[in-house]
Amino acid sequence: NAGVTQTPKFQVLKTGQSMTLQCAQDMNHNSMYWYRQDPGMGLRLIYYSASEGTTDKGEVPNGYNVSRLNKREFSLRLESAAPSQTSVYFCASRELEGGPYEQYFGPGTRLTVT
Amino acid sequence: EDQVTQSPEALRLQEGESSSLNCSYTVSGLRGLFWYRQDPGKGPEFLFTLYSAGEEKEKERLKATLTKKESFLHITAPKPEDSATYLCAAYGGATNKLIFGTGTLLAVQP
Repeated sequence: NAGVTQTPKFQVLKTGQSMTLQCAQDMNHNSMYWYRQDPGMGLRLIYYSASEGTTDKGEVPNGYNVSRLNKREFSLRLESAAPSQTSVYFCASRELEGGPYEQYFGPGTRLTVT
Repeated sequence: EDQVTQSPEALRLQEGESSSLNCSYTVSGLRGLFWYRQDPGKGPEFLFTLYSAGEEKEKERLKATLTKKESFLHITAPKPEDSATYLCAAYGGATNKLIFGTGTLLAVQP
């Protein structure tokens, strides 16, 4: 099992460019999440998908969109990148929305917006 | 407001020198307290889940404990390979989402 995989590992964008971060899990989990991690701020939830076909906003959704393509895949799109979106992005998955509650994380995408 | 606070921010230990990391939480209706390990350039790796006060979990040199207000991650006789950032997270509260602390950066010197 690969667990949670993310592509790309690194990306540099110019302000105003768009890109999609890809995430896939092979654990047959129902719920998937996108977080960003910034120094001194901890992990913050951007969007989540409790189950296939549903998506909801998290704590910091502005400037992002998501698509739950199927049970395995959950993508995060930046339509017009801004320097404030420079961060490390993590995808996570969880077995069921109702529990157990532990989430499993991918290796991350390090994004720089200039 | 639901909150998770970790202390200290950074901790330097000598190999074999036992210590504890603290995680204080103010989360109503706690449904789980989690510990993760994060190595530089990697994603958080799940370590433990604690569900109720008094519960303890162990894995090698690590033991996690939970009270009604805080959790401790005890590290016994640490080795250099235990060096990492340890993250605490609580599930529950008003949003019923995982709330993370900012982590403790542990460095174990040989």
